[in-house]
Amino acid sequence: DAMVIQNPRYQVTQFGKPVTLSCSQTLNHNVMYWYQQKSSQAPKLLFHYYDKDFNNEADTPDNFQSRRPNTSFCFLDIRSPGLGDAAMYLCATSRDGIAGGGQETQYFGPGTRLLVL
Amino acid sequence: GQNIDQPTEMTATEGAIVQINCTYQTSGFNGLFWYQQHAGEAPTFLSYNVLDGLEEKGRFSSFLSRSKGYSYLLLKELQMKDSASYLCAVRDSNYQLIWGAGTKLIIKP
Repeated sequence: DAMVIQNPRYQVTQFGKPVTLSCSQTLNHNVMYWYQQKSSQAPKLLFHYYDKDFNNEADTPDNFQSRRPNTSFCFLDIRSPGLGDAAMYLCATSRDGIAGGGQETQYFGPGTRLLVL
Repeated sequence: GQNIDQPTEMTATEGAIVQINCTYQTSGFNGLFWYQQHAGEAPTFLSYNVLDGLEEKGRFSSFLSRSKGYSYLLLKELQMKDSASYLCAVRDSNYQLIWGAGTKLIIKP
């Protein structure tokens, strides 16, 4: 089945220790997204890639970086995690980012829950 | 500013019908989405509306009125597994997806 895969599902890191979260997709979608979601809040968009064109949201902290080495994979790097970065990190994909007709519908991976000690 | 409003929490009875409302104020409109999110899991796509009217998908239906900036998600024949949060999201004129905080739906036997 075509899908969005995130590893690991749970990640524990220490305060200030860099951590990388990964996402892969077999949907062959052009656009990939990284969201941060805290309990009972809306998902907050951190980055998105239209193919290899990188888009950083204006209020995404410098502590967060992202890489998309190819169509299938995308990584989220947190350089120095703080206690406030503990959250669920969601990767999503869409066939297109602009075209309508449902091609912009985002499909999510299962998420990685990050715990910072 | 851009805003999506949904009730924080709703309670309904198994087998009944529930309507979850969403109102939005965004800079432009390019489609409205409903997602279901079970606790601790990722959102799952439910429905997409871009034109006014009702879209039906099995037990779930979604309605849109662009002139009123309003949508609702209608869930029929409620089952216990429908207990989840339901998120409304609107794509604005810049093709950015603006998310609501979600409505937590509690189903009681």
